[in-house]
Amino acid sequence: AQTVTQSQPEMSVQEAETVTLSCTYDTSESDYYLFWYKQPPSRQMILVIRQEAYKQQNATENRFSVNFQKAAKSFSLKISDSQLGDAAMYFCAYIGNAGNMLTFGGGTRLMVKP
Amino acid sequence: KAGVTQTPRYLIKTRGQQVTLSCSPISGHRSVSWYQQTPGQGLQFLFEYFSETQRNKGNFPGRFSGRQFSNSRSEMNVSTLELGDSALYLCASSLDSRTSYEQYFGPGTRLTVT
Repeated sequence: AQTVTQSQPEMSVQEAETVTLSCTYDTSESDYYLFWYKQPPSRQMILVIRQEAYKQQNATENRFSVNFQKAAKSFSLKISDSQLGDAAMYFCAYIGNAGNMLTFGGGTRLMVKP
Repeated sequence: KAGVTQTPRYLIKTRGQQVTLSCSPISGHRSVSWYQQTPGQGLQFLFEYFSETQRNKGNFPGRFSGRQFSNSRSEMNVSTLELGDSALYLCASSLDSRTSYEQYFGPGTRLTVT
């Protein structure tokens, strides 16, 4: 079975600075998708960014980018120019060949200091 | 397009009762997945429905069941409620295309069992 690990339960960043959230996963599959989801205090889970395993290029969405290291099974999220609205729980998630079922990491709570 | 909607948003039940939660996916999305979120266990996959058929099932007891209707709307049912069933239940929908496994979440139903 696949597992996803987020080793940082909490992180904090100063507004306008850059922060990196870590995620590692374990799988024997070669074809899969990785995601970062954001869950603000309102509880609505929002898709931040996705990465296809077969793509070598790291995904980027505005201030959000990933560092995907397939051999190391690492998938970190970098948030640039952090804003107060970025404060939330961030979840790393995996979908593989089993189909449409996400396996989530334990989450990282990000606090943004003004 | 309207997002994923879930009803009710909050629910209080007593042990032994049963409960039914509803989820309406984004228009055009045919796959609906359900997740349970608790502080202790995190986010766990319950089941996924596609074209009115259960395609995947997580490791939950048979008290948890679901179904999907022809318009892709889905319901999940929990019978003989236990205190440990108190959780946020999240529904997610996706196109289920081989080109995209992105899942979009609803706001969740907060179930409290007393």
